[in-house]
Amino acid sequence: AQSVTQLDSHVSVSEGTPVLLRCNYSSSYSPSLFWYVQHPNKGLQLLLKYTSAATLVKGINGFEAEFKKSETSFHLTKPSAHMSDAAEYFCVVTRMDSSYKLIFGSGTRLLVRP
Amino acid sequence: EPEVTQTPSHQVTQMGQEVILRCVPISNHLYFYWYRQILGQKVEFLVSFYNNEISEKSEIFDDQFSVERPDGSNFTLKIRSTKLEDSAMYFCASRGPATSGGTQYFGPGTRLLVL
Repeated sequence: AQSVTQLDSHVSVSEGTPVLLRCNYSSSYSPSLFWYVQHPNKGLQLLLKYTSAATLVKGINGFEAEFKKSETSFHLTKPSAHMSDAAEYFCVVTRMDSSYKLIFGSGTRLLVRP
Repeated sequence: EPEVTQTPSHQVTQMGQEVILRCVPISNHLYFYWYRQILGQKVEFLVSFYNNEISEKSEIFDDQFSVERPDGSNFTLKIRSTKLEDSAMYFCASRGPATSGGTQYFGPGTRLLVL
């Protein structure tokens, strides 16, 4: 079975400071991992994905994530938060089998203070 | 840039009524999905669809639910007799072949409220 655990339900940072959103995964197979972002009253937008290539993955809007197999982690980081980064972030795992269904974490709400 | 679209954006219905949620996936995609997000909860997988048949479905996807690709562009989710607990945001997603990395692209969602 596969699952993801997002360790923080809420994270609050000041504008211009680094962002760290934590995610741990569990998978019996080599996983593919994603981060999606959901802005208020909007759909789910892909930030970045890991699919067994480079372990450090760069995404949109300055976000990146590092796949660490030894720690079963896929934490999302950004060097400097912007007010527009305030949103809900979902860590997602899938297995490259016939359906590729996505398993979502419970989400982390990022608040950016001026 | 191609995108997944969904209609309607909001739907209010009475318990026991049938609803059809519509999605237009990205045009060259062949794999289609429905997910739902009950307010305050995780996004949950409902069903995946490929080659005109369901490839996988979750426990949530019982006999009250059905999916269809009635023509070359639309992908629909039907709830036959809605219950209060069906109130949620429903997301459609589509993806290209495995060579594209398996990424699913989501529509903006339909917010369903069952009264």
